[in-house]
Parts: sequence; structure tokens; C-alpha cells
Amino acid sequence: GQNIDQPTEMTATEGAIVQINCTYQTSGFNGLFWYQQHAGEAPTFLSYNVLDGLEEKGRFSSFLSRSKGYSYLLLKELQMKDSASYLCAVRPPYSGAGSYQLTFGKGTKLSVIP
Amino acid sequence: KAGVTQTPRYLIKTRGQQVTLSCSPISGHRSVSWYQQTPGQGLQFLFEYFSETQRNKGNFPGRFSGRQFSNSRSEMNVSTLELGDSALYLCASSRGEPGSYEQYFGPGTRLTVT
Repeated sequence: GQNIDQPTEMTATEGAIVQINCTYQTSGFNGLFWYQQHAGEAPTFLSYNVLDGLEEKGRFSSFLSRSKGYSYLLLKELQMKDSASYLCAVRPPYSGAGSYQLTFGKGTKLSVIP
Repeated sequence: KAGVTQTPRYLIKTRGQQVTLSCSPISGHRSVSWYQQTPGQGLQFLFEYFSETQRNKGNFPGRFSGRQFSNSRSEMNVSTLELGDSALYLCASSRGEPGSYEQYFGPGTRLTVT
């Protein structure tokens, strides 16, 4: 099976940088995803990592270390609209190429304060 | 390009009844995945359909079933509803081919079982 851990809640100040961590224990691995979900809305795709290292996309960056079972999402220049839940999800190796059997963490609720 | 659509958006049913939810994926996408989201368990994978075939299935009882049509539209059915089935049901579409990784969620169907 797969077990994914993320902090439940975090608070950060507008304009600051915040790092949301995700650790996973799996019997295999075929990619890690980060999604953003605003209250009452559907999740939206943020990033995908399958190899170790940092992927940067504008104000958002995602890092992966497969040997440590660890990822983080880095949000820079925080804005009030970044207040949302951030979901880490892992795709298992047995799900098949192109498949979407994702296991999600319970999400980190980020509150951005003025 | 139109997004993922789900109908109905809200539904109230009583215990013992059955329900059918519908999802229309983005044009050209052949994979549809279904997820259940609850405050306690977070997002949990139900099943994935690709080209009318169930490709993967999560750990849900047989009361939960689904199908996909030749136009890639998908339905999921829950029979003999229980109070614990109250949740937000999300579908997500993707190309579903090797190398694809972006998955787009619909707005969800909020099911309340009384």
C-alpha cells in the first residue's frame, strides 16, 4: 500500500515564502503530483515530478527525492489567493503507463495572512 | 476547450436508494477517473476507465460501479446508499496515454445521504 503524510495546516504571511512537505512510504513509485484546491472547488494540477530534483514553474516549485520518499512544494511571493489546500499525490508503479490511480495525502490547508 | 462537466452538481438521497452520477471529459481525453472526497478520508480513488474498459479499481465495495461509453463519457453508480456515502464525488479526465500526466478535475457532485 501507500502512505502519504503532509502537515494538516500552515499559516504564512503575504509576500513570504512557504514550503509544504510531503513524505510517502510506498512499495514502488511512478510519479508525484501536487494539486491546489480552493474551498468548494475542484483540485487543479500544479506540478508533476518523476525524477529527483527541483521543477520550477513561476512562483511555484516542487522538489522530489525518491531515495528519501520526500517532496516539497515551495510557494514564493505569497498572495492572498494562495490560501487553499495543497494535495500531494503519488502514482503507484503497478497502475500502468498513462494511468491515473493516484493516492492522495489528506492535504495541507494553507492560510495566507496580511 | 470546454472543461470537465459533471451532473448533477447536488443530490440528496435516502438510505437504501441508488444513484447515478455522470461525467463528460475534455474532448479528446480517453481516461476518466472517479474519486470520493470526504473531510475525514480526503480524496480516495474509486476507479479509472480508459477506452470503455476499467483499467484500475480502488478499495471500495461492490456497491460502487461505473462504466464508460464510446464517446468517453462516464457514469458511476452507487447502490444501496449508506450514510457514509455522503461525499463530494469528483471525476477527472486525462489523455491517459504513456507520457501524459496532467489530469483535469470536474466541479464534482455533492451527494448527501439522509
